[in-house]
Amino acid sequence: DSGVTQTPKHLITATGQRVTLRCSPRSGDLSVYWYQQSLDQGLQFLIHYYNGEERAKGNILERFSAQQFPDLHSELNLSSLELGDSALYFCASSVREGVRADTQYFGPGTRLTVL
Amino acid sequence: AQSVTQPDIHITVSEGASLELRCNYSYGATPYLFWYVQSPGQGLQLLLKYFSGDTLVQGIKGFEAEFKRSQSSFNLRKPSVHWSDAAEYFCAVGVGGATNKLIFGTGTLLAVQP
Repeated sequence: DSGVTQTPKHLITATGQRVTLRCSPRSGDLSVYWYQQSLDQGLQFLIHYYNGEERAKGNILERFSAQQFPDLHSELNLSSLELGDSALYFCASSVREGVRADTQYFGPGTRLTVL
Repeated sequence: AQSVTQPDIHITVSEGASLELRCNYSYGATPYLFWYVQSPGQGLQLLLKYFSGDTLVQGIKGFEAEFKRSQSSFNLRKPSVHWSDAAEYFCAVGVGGATNKLIFGTGTLLAVQP
């Protein structure tokens, strides 16, 4: 158990819908990262938040957005869902920001299926 | 651009045999390298990481990896594989800067034969 929690574990929804994925980092970790794992794209970085502020964006679609709240939990919002958004979405947390040796601890992921 | 290559998509080894999973990276500065393992239906678990010092790194579950700058490689090894090692293994490089996003390889799926 990494100490990072993600809810829900599974999510099945229809095209055009909007969903929210939630992540609680390890106690004391200020950085939260979101990654998407799909069969065709592999594991890709989406976005990074540090202590409530956005730090970097990766291959994140405009239909997707995220935020980190004062209690440090984070939510990833996916809207106007398409079949291709079906994937496993991981959250990871680490203590600091911009420290390359810092270890990222991953949650169990949320499997999103868009029908 | 930074990248990680795992040349082997799928590897099968017999239980008790030795294992080596290959990883090559492309990074302009000193790389910070990681190996993660993903068991079916599970998240990613860190096996080991390298960022300085001894180029032979010991990790959990009996794994080790050797950083070779001249070959831009960070191969993962285990002397004797157990059936429970069947999983997918990902090599990653941390890019630092304002963020420390990880760039992952495509993964190597390990099957273990009895």
